[in-house]
Amino acid sequence: KAGVTQTPRYLIKTRGQQVTLSCSPISGHRSVSWYQQTPGQGLQFLFEYFSETQRNKGNFPGRFSGRQFSNSRSEMNVSTLELGDSALYLCASSLFSNEKLFFGSGTQLSVL
Amino acid sequence: SQQGEEDPQALSIQEGENATMNCSYKTSINNLQWYRQNSGRGLVHLILIRSNEREKHSGRLRVTLDTSKKSSSLLITASRAADTASYFCATEGSSGGSNYKLTFGKGTLLTVNP
Repeated sequence: KAGVTQTPRYLIKTRGQQVTLSCSPISGHRSVSWYQQTPGQGLQFLFEYFSETQRNKGNFPGRFSGRQFSNSRSEMNVSTLELGDSALYLCASSLFSNEKLFFGSGTQLSVL
Repeated sequence: SQQGEEDPQALSIQEGENATMNCSYKTSINNLQWYRQNSGRGLVHLILIRSNEREKHSGRLRVTLDTSKKSSSLLITASRAADTASYFCATEGSSGGSNYKLTFGKGTLLTVNP
Protein backbone atom coordinates (compact mmCIF):
# COMPACT_ATOMS: atom_id res chain seq x y z
CA LYS A 1 0.00 0.00 0.00
CA ALA A 2 1.46 3.36 -0.98
CA GLY A 3 2.02 5.85 1.82
CA VAL A 4 0.95 9.46 2.04
CA THR A 5 2.35 11.39 -0.91
CA GLN A 6 3.04 15.10 -0.76
CA THR A 7 4.08 17.25 -3.69
CA PRO A 8 6.21 19.14 -4.26
CA ARG A 9 8.96 18.14 -1.84
CA TYR A 10 10.65 21.54 -1.93
CA LEU A 11 9.32 24.93 -2.92
CA ILE A 12 10.88 28.39 -3.05
CA LYS A 13 8.62 31.40 -3.35
CA THR A 14 8.89 35.14 -2.82
CA ARG A 15 6.84 37.32 -0.52
CA GLY A 16 3.40 38.14 -1.86
CA GLN A 17 3.11 35.06 -4.05
CA GLN A 18 0.69 32.24 -3.41
CA VAL A 19 1.35 28.52 -3.23
CA THR A 20 -0.66 25.30 -3.48
CA LEU A 21 0.50 22.10 -1.82
CA SER A 22 -0.90 18.70 -2.62
CA CYS A 23 -1.48 15.59 -0.54
CA SER A 24 -2.60 12.13 -1.60
CA PRO A 25 -3.65 10.03 1.40
CA ILE A 26 -3.30 6.30 1.83
CA SER A 27 -5.93 4.48 -0.19
CA GLY A 28 -9.11 4.11 1.85
CA HIS A 29 -8.24 6.86 4.31
CA ARG A 30 -10.89 9.53 4.44
CA SER A 31 -9.42 11.91 7.00
CA VAL A 32 -6.66 14.30 5.96
CA SER A 33 -4.94 16.73 8.32
CA TRP A 34 -2.39 19.43 7.70
CA TYR A 35 0.29 20.64 10.10
CA GLN A 36 2.91 23.36 9.92
CA GLN A 37 6.28 22.67 11.52
CA THR A 38 8.81 25.38 12.35
CA PRO A 39 11.80 25.36 14.70
CA GLY A 40 10.25 28.08 16.85
CA GLN A 41 6.60 27.02 17.07
CA GLY A 42 6.92 23.29 16.56
CA LEU A 43 4.01 21.41 15.01
CA GLN A 44 0.88 23.51 14.63
CA PHE A 45 -2.47 22.17 13.47
CA LEU A 46 -3.83 23.83 10.33
CA PHE A 47 -7.02 21.94 9.44
CA GLU A 48 -8.65 18.55 9.11
CA TYR A 49 -10.96 17.26 6.39
CA PHE A 50 -13.20 14.25 6.24
CA SER A 51 -15.30 13.39 3.20
CA GLU A 52 -14.73 16.86 1.74
CA THR A 53 -15.87 18.61 4.94
CA GLN A 54 -13.59 20.66 7.16
CA ARG A 55 -14.15 19.41 10.69
CA ASN A 56 -11.66 21.61 12.51
CA LYS A 57 -9.37 24.54 11.81
CA GLY A 58 -6.35 25.82 13.69
CA ASN A 59 -5.49 29.38 14.61
CA PHE A 60 -4.07 30.53 11.32
CA PRO A 61 -5.03 33.60 9.31
CA GLY A 62 -7.48 33.36 6.44
CA ARG A 63 -4.56 33.31 3.99
CA PHE A 64 -4.34 29.60 4.79
CA SER A 65 -7.05 27.54 3.19
CA GLY A 66 -7.60 23.98 2.17
CA ARG A 67 -9.96 21.60 0.52
CA GLN A 68 -10.53 17.92 0.03
CA PHE A 69 -11.74 16.26 -3.13
CA SER A 70 -14.13 13.34 -3.53
CA ASN A 71 -11.17 10.94 -3.93
CA SER A 72 -9.86 12.16 -0.52
CA ARG A 73 -6.90 13.96 -2.05
CA SER A 74 -6.33 17.32 -0.41
CA GLU A 75 -4.75 20.63 -1.23
CA MET A 76 -3.79 23.54 0.90
CA ASN A 77 -3.26 27.05 -0.36
CA VAL A 78 -1.39 29.95 1.17
CA SER A 79 -1.97 33.34 -0.41
CA THR A 80 0.11 36.49 -0.05
CA LEU A 81 3.08 34.64 1.34
CA GLU A 82 5.06 36.11 4.22
CA LEU A 83 8.59 35.31 5.36
CA GLY A 84 7.14 33.66 8.46
CA ASP A 85 5.31 31.11 6.33
CA SER A 86 8.61 29.36 5.68
CA ALA A 87 8.12 25.94 7.21
CA LEU A 88 7.75 22.23 6.67
CA TYR A 89 4.11 21.52 5.82
CA LEU A 90 3.04 18.02 6.76
CA CYS A 91 -0.01 16.17 5.62
CA ALA A 92 -1.35 13.17 7.48
CA SER A 93 -4.12 10.71 6.77
CA SER A 94 -6.12 8.27 8.83
CA LEU A 95 -9.15 6.06 8.40
CA PHE A 96 -11.69 8.10 10.34
CA SER A 97 -10.23 10.03 13.22
CA ASN A 98 -7.01 11.17 14.83
CA GLU A 99 -6.06 7.76 16.14
CA LYS A 100 -2.83 6.83 14.43
CA LEU A 101 -1.97 9.37 11.77
CA PHE A 102 0.17 8.43 8.80
CA PHE A 103 2.35 11.34 7.73
CA GLY A 104 3.83 12.23 4.38
CA SER A 105 7.42 13.42 4.05
CA GLY A 106 6.26 17.02 3.88
CA THR A 107 6.74 20.02 1.64
CA GLN A 108 9.58 22.32 2.66
CA LEU A 109 8.48 25.84 1.76
CA SER A 110 10.97 28.68 1.75
CA VAL A 111 9.71 32.23 1.34
CA LEU A 112 12.35 34.75 0.25
CA SER B 1 -0.39 27.28 22.91
CA GLN B 2 1.22 23.86 23.05
CA GLN B 3 -0.80 21.23 24.85
CA GLY B 4 2.05 18.81 25.39
CA GLU B 5 5.49 19.69 26.64
CA GLU B 6 8.26 17.11 26.46
CA ASP B 7 11.08 16.83 28.90
CA PRO B 8 14.01 16.76 28.43
CA GLN B 9 14.44 18.78 25.24
CA ALA B 10 17.49 16.71 24.37
CA LEU B 11 18.84 13.39 25.58
CA SER B 12 22.10 11.68 24.68
CA ILE B 13 22.75 8.06 25.70
CA GLN B 14 24.90 5.07 24.75
CA GLU B 15 23.62 2.16 22.73
CA GLY B 16 22.05 -0.46 24.97
CA GLU B 17 20.92 2.03 27.60
CA ASN B 18 17.30 2.91 28.28
CA ALA B 19 15.83 6.27 27.31
CA THR B 20 12.96 7.92 29.15
CA MET B 21 11.05 10.92 27.87
CA ASN B 22 8.25 12.72 29.64
CA CYS B 23 5.27 14.67 28.41
CA SER B 24 2.95 16.98 30.30
CA TYR B 25 -0.32 18.38 29.03
CA LYS B 26 -2.88 20.87 30.25
CA THR B 27 -6.45 19.81 29.55
CA SER B 28 -8.57 16.66 29.56
CA ILE B 29 -7.74 14.25 26.78
CA ASN B 30 -9.27 11.35 24.87
CA ASN B 31 -5.91 9.82 24.09
CA LEU B 32 -2.20 10.52 24.00
CA GLN B 33 0.07 9.37 21.20
CA TRP B 34 3.82 9.25 20.67
CA TYR B 35 5.44 9.87 17.30
CA ARG B 36 9.02 9.72 16.03
CA GLN B 37 10.55 12.00 13.42
CA ASN B 38 13.86 11.48 11.68
CA SER B 39 15.70 14.58 10.44
CA GLY B 40 12.76 16.81 9.48
CA ARG B 41 10.89 14.12 7.58
CA GLY B 42 7.39 12.86 8.25
CA LEU B 43 6.35 11.59 11.64
CA VAL B 44 5.85 7.92 12.39
CA HIS B 45 3.22 6.78 14.86
CA LEU B 46 4.67 4.72 17.70
CA ILE B 47 1.94 4.06 20.23
CA LEU B 48 -1.43 5.32 21.46
CA ILE B 49 -2.72 5.20 25.01
CA ARG B 50 -6.30 6.03 25.88
CA SER B 51 -7.34 8.16 28.84
CA ASN B 52 -8.68 5.11 30.71
CA GLU B 53 -5.42 3.17 30.32
CA ARG B 54 -2.40 3.46 32.59
CA GLU B 55 0.30 1.54 30.75
CA LYS B 56 0.91 0.13 27.33
CA HIS B 57 3.72 -1.85 25.70
CA SER B 58 4.82 -2.26 22.12
CA GLY B 59 8.09 -4.08 21.49
CA ARG B 60 10.84 -2.08 23.21
CA LEU B 61 8.45 0.77 23.98
CA ARG B 62 6.59 1.27 27.22
CA VAL B 63 4.20 4.16 27.72
CA THR B 64 2.55 5.22 30.95
CA LEU B 65 -0.22 7.74 31.46
CA ASP B 66 -1.17 9.51 34.68
CA THR B 67 -4.29 11.56 34.04
CA SER B 68 -4.32 12.95 37.58
CA LYS B 69 -0.92 14.53 36.94
CA LYS B 70 -1.63 15.13 33.26
CA SER B 71 1.59 13.46 32.28
CA SER B 72 2.93 10.56 30.26
CA SER B 73 6.28 8.91 29.84
CA LEU B 74 7.85 6.96 26.99
CA LEU B 75 10.52 4.41 27.80
CA ILE B 76 12.68 2.93 25.07
CA THR B 77 14.62 -0.06 26.34
CA ALA B 78 17.94 -1.37 24.98
CA SER B 79 18.31 1.61 22.66
CA ARG B 80 19.97 1.38 19.26
CA ALA B 81 21.69 3.96 17.06
CA ALA B 82 18.65 3.72 14.75
CA ASP B 83 16.49 5.11 17.57
CA THR B 84 18.18 8.49 17.10
CA ALA B 85 15.31 10.85 16.27
CA SER B 86 12.97 13.45 17.71
CA TYR B 87 10.09 12.12 19.76
CA PHE B 88 6.80 13.96 20.12
CA CYS B 89 3.79 13.43 22.27
CA ALA B 90 0.42 14.45 20.86
CA THR B 91 -2.91 14.76 22.56
CA GLU B 92 -6.46 14.75 21.35
CA GLY B 93 -8.52 16.86 23.70
CA SER B 94 -11.90 15.78 24.99
CA SER B 95 -13.50 19.21 25.10
CA GLY B 96 -15.41 20.86 22.30
CA GLY B 97 -13.22 22.39 19.65
CA SER B 98 -10.50 19.85 20.36
CA ASN B 99 -11.95 17.17 18.17
CA TYR B 100 -10.30 16.02 14.99
CA LYS B 101 -6.95 17.59 15.77
CA LEU B 102 -3.81 16.62 17.62
CA THR B 103 -1.81 19.06 19.70
CA PHE B 104 1.89 18.28 19.65
CA GLY B 105 4.62 19.08 22.10
CA LYS B 106 7.95 20.50 20.94
CA GLY B 107 9.67 17.16 21.16
CA THR B 108 12.68 15.46 22.70
CA LEU B 109 15.75 15.00 20.53
CA LEU B 110 17.22 11.60 21.36
CA THR B 111 20.76 10.78 20.29
CA VAL B 112 21.95 7.21 20.73
CA ASN B 113 25.71 6.92 20.44
CA PRO B 114 27.16 3.65 19.09
